[in-house]
Amino acid sequence: QKEVEQDPGPLSVPEGAIVSLNCTYSNSAFQYFMWYRQYSRKGPELLMYTYSSGNKEDGRFTAQVDKSSKYISLFIRDSQPSDSATYLCAMSPRSGGYQKVTFGTGTKLQVIP
Amino acid sequence: NAGVTQTPKFRILKIGQSMTLQCTQDMNHNYMYWYRQDPGMGLKLIYYSVGAGITDKGEVPNGYNVSRSTTEDFPLRLELAAPSQTSVYFCASSDLSRETIEGYTFGSGTRLTVV
Repeated sequence: QKEVEQDPGPLSVPEGAIVSLNCTYSNSAFQYFMWYRQYSRKGPELLMYTYSSGNKEDGRFTAQVDKSSKYISLFIRDSQPSDSATYLCAMSPRSGGYQKVTFGTGTKLQVIP
Repeated sequence: NAGVTQTPKFRILKIGQSMTLQCTQDMNHNYMYWYRQDPGMGLKLIYYSVGAGITDKGEVPNGYNVSRSTTEDFPLRLELAAPSQTSVYFCASSDLSRETIEGYTFGSGTRLTVV
């Protein structure tokens, strides 16, 4: 079993739709949860990060963590064609010093105008 | 602020050739990393460095070498290139010395094909 599982998609939605992207994980030591966005032929860029359980909102993006279920989600409201990218979840045990970050394989999202 | 700069952007190598992928960051980050990204496989850590003069192996180090003589530079050396090293290579840096994790800053990648 992989430490982090992520549906590769592709996920195709019409403009304006609400998008839900998800990851499951098996390592209960993970405390920090991140979402990266990667445009085609570019490097990943950090979109959001959260610590432990709960929600975090930033504009049209909401990150949720449910540690009891080992499940994290990224919601995109009012999706735009510019949101078309691959979204990678990532997680690590704690901050401070070097911590191994484990990445999901990414979900490819296409928002159709 | 340039962030993380990788060169070259593209390269085709013949089997058995060697090359160095360059990576420079201007954010004074302590930590630097090399990843490879293959379709459907996610990001795999090759090597990382926690500071100048200190490097360590990641998940997939075989066939690669690194050095870190300065804070800014973290080159990745491929010796005796093999088709299995065909991939997209990303360099990243981070500053995890503070309490709050801020994630990695990635370069734009090097697309390497070994034929």
